[in-house]
Amino acid sequence: DGGITQSPKYLFRKEGQNVTLSCEQNLNHDAMYWYRQDPGQGLRLIYYSQIVNDFQKGDIAEGYSVSREKKESFPLTVTSAQKNPTAFYLCASSEQVGTEAFFGQGTRLTVV
Amino acid sequence: KNEVEQSPQNLTAQEGEFITINCSYSVGISALHWLQQHPGGGIVSLFMLSSGKKKHGRLIATINIQEKHSSLHITASHPRDSAVYICAAPSGSARQLTFGSGTQLTVLP
Repeated sequence: DGGITQSPKYLFRKEGQNVTLSCEQNLNHDAMYWYRQDPGQGLRLIYYSQIVNDFQKGDIAEGYSVSREKKESFPLTVTSAQKNPTAFYLCASSEQVGTEAFFGQGTRLTVV
Repeated sequence: KNEVEQSPQNLTAQEGEFITINCSYSVGISALHWLQQHPGGGIVSLFMLSSGKKKHGRLIATINIQEKHSSLHITASHPRDSAVYICAAPSGSARQLTFGSGTQLTVLP
């Protein structure tokens, strides 16, 4: 079945450690996105990629990094520079930016 | 000011009631998205519409481009409809989605 897979579903890390969240899609979509969701708030864009080997900062990119070496993969690294990393992270993809988006099931990251 | 505003923030209904969730946006858009987020966190795309009305089962979405307003209706609501409903509109130079803060719907049996 086509879709987006995020792993793991739950992730715990110690403060000061970098952590990488996985996002894979087999929909052959060019565009991929990472969003952060905090309780009571809307999704906020961290990074997006319109095409392989290209990515752009979103509204809250500080403390995060991404890569897009393959069309189907868009991993997100939460670095130790991110001041408040505990949140729910969602990955999405679409044929092109602005078209219908498909979402993964999310990764809940807790930093202790 | 958030470019996409939703109302109400929370909505509780009895099973069978007709439900309306509203979304207003301040940016010029080509299409508006309605999404559903279940308690586990996963998000499902319900509709993407650029004009008029779309219907899928008991869900109906309408949009008025001139008034920059969209509504999501649920007919004959059921407890399994309980979820967060989110509207989103493309904005910015790259047309990435801007999201409303969501409407928490609870349908009681």
